[in-house]
Amino acid sequence: DAGITQSPRHKVTETGTPVTLRCHQTENHRYMYWYRQDPGHGLRLIHYSYGVKDTDKGEVSDGYSVSRSKTEDFLLTLESATSSQTSVYFCATQQGHQETQYFGPGTRLLVL
Amino acid sequence: AQSVSQHNHHVILSEAASLELGCNYSYGGTVNLFWYVQYPGQHLQLLLKYFSGDPLVKGIKGFEAEFIKSKFSFNLRKPSVQWSDTAEYFCAVKLGGSTLGRLYFGRGTQLTVWP
Repeated sequence: DAGITQSPRHKVTETGTPVTLRCHQTENHRYMYWYRQDPGHGLRLIHYSYGVKDTDKGEVSDGYSVSRSKTEDFLLTLESATSSQTSVYFCATQQGHQETQYFGPGTRLLVL
Repeated sequence: AQSVSQHNHHVILSEAASLELGCNYSYGGTVNLFWYVQYPGQHLQLLLKYFSGDPLVKGIKGFEAEFIKSKFSFNLRKPSVQWSDTAEYFCAVKLGGSTLGRLYFGRGTQLTVWP
């Protein structure tokens, strides 16, 4: 959907290490989002971007930062990973604010 | 804060049974409404959406949903489920006045269909 790829697809890391997840899209969509999915919580928004270098916080942004230096890439960084950040992370993109949001395949992250 | 409630956490049905999954939201203004489905091990896919017009919306795979503004609800229905409908279903809401496009998701309903 919407040519969205995420890398890596799976990652195991240790507490305290930095981790960067990448979302890449080929559709030139303006809006990009990072969600985390946890059992019993559905999807919760971490950060989003409404253009190159334009980002803002979602509802669970603590411990995460993002960057968007070009339209096609949206990076999510865990500066110092904690076990509570073990989750499945989904990237999503959207053409305009009235359009449908499309999701990437997800990254499964385990923090030991 | 906006909230989206899906009251059924896990629904178990036999094939050919009818399905209705509840979704309620807390926002008094204009909303755009969505149902997404996530098959095991896969990403979210759009089932159907409502932006305006006919409140009865038809989606893919025989699913439909009805927007009832007075009840702040957008329930998902299917007259006869199949084993392949086993998945997790998420309701999502976008505030109509928002220019940022962010979605608020419910916690999801796991549907298990027995053959």
